[in-house]
Amino acid sequence: AQTVTQSQPEMSVQEAETVTLSCTYDTSESDYYLFWYKQPPSRQMILVIRQEAYKQQNATENRFSVNFQKAAKSFSLKISDSQLGDAAMYFCAYRRNAGNMLTFGGGTRLMVKP
Amino acid sequence: KAGVTQTPRYLIKTRGQQVTLSCSPISGHRSVSWYQQTPGQGLQFLFEYFSETQRNKGNFPGRFSGRQFSNSRSEMNVSTLELGDSALYLCASSLETGLPIGVEAFFGQGTRLTVV
Repeated sequence: AQTVTQSQPEMSVQEAETVTLSCTYDTSESDYYLFWYKQPPSRQMILVIRQEAYKQQNATENRFSVNFQKAAKSFSLKISDSQLGDAAMYFCAYRRNAGNMLTFGGGTRLMVKP
Repeated sequence: KAGVTQTPRYLIKTRGQQVTLSCSPISGHRSVSWYQQTPGQGLQFLFEYFSETQRNKGNFPGRFSGRQFSNSRSEMNVSTLELGDSALYLCASSLETGLPIGVEAFFGQGTRLTVV
């Protein structure tokens, strides 16, 4: 079974600074997808970024980028120029190639200080 | 384009009762998945439906069941409610084209179930 681990329960960053959230996963499969989701106090899960395992290039979405290390099974999220609106719970998630079943990590609570 | 809609948003039930939650996916999405979120267990996968068929099932007791209709709307049912069933239940839909396009899951706002 796949497992996803987020080792940082809480992180704090100063507004306009950069922060990196860590995620490791365990799988025996070679083809899969990885995601970062954001869950603000409204509880709505919002997709931040996705990465296909077959792609070597790291995904980037505006201020959000990932560092995908397939051999190390590591998938970290970097948030640049942090904004107050980035404060939320962030979840790393794994999806097999077939079927729409997500395995989530325990989450990292990100606080942004003004 | 409307997002994923879950109803009701909040629900209070008594132990032993049953409850039905509803999820309307994004138009055109054929896959609907359900998740339970609790402070202690985090986000756990319940089941996934695709074209009216259950495709995957998580490790939950048989009291948890679901179904999907021909218009892709889905319902989940919990019978004989227990206090531990109190949670936020999230529904997600995805396009599922079989290609890398459409693999993202889009979530609804959830149904907060409280069992007393």
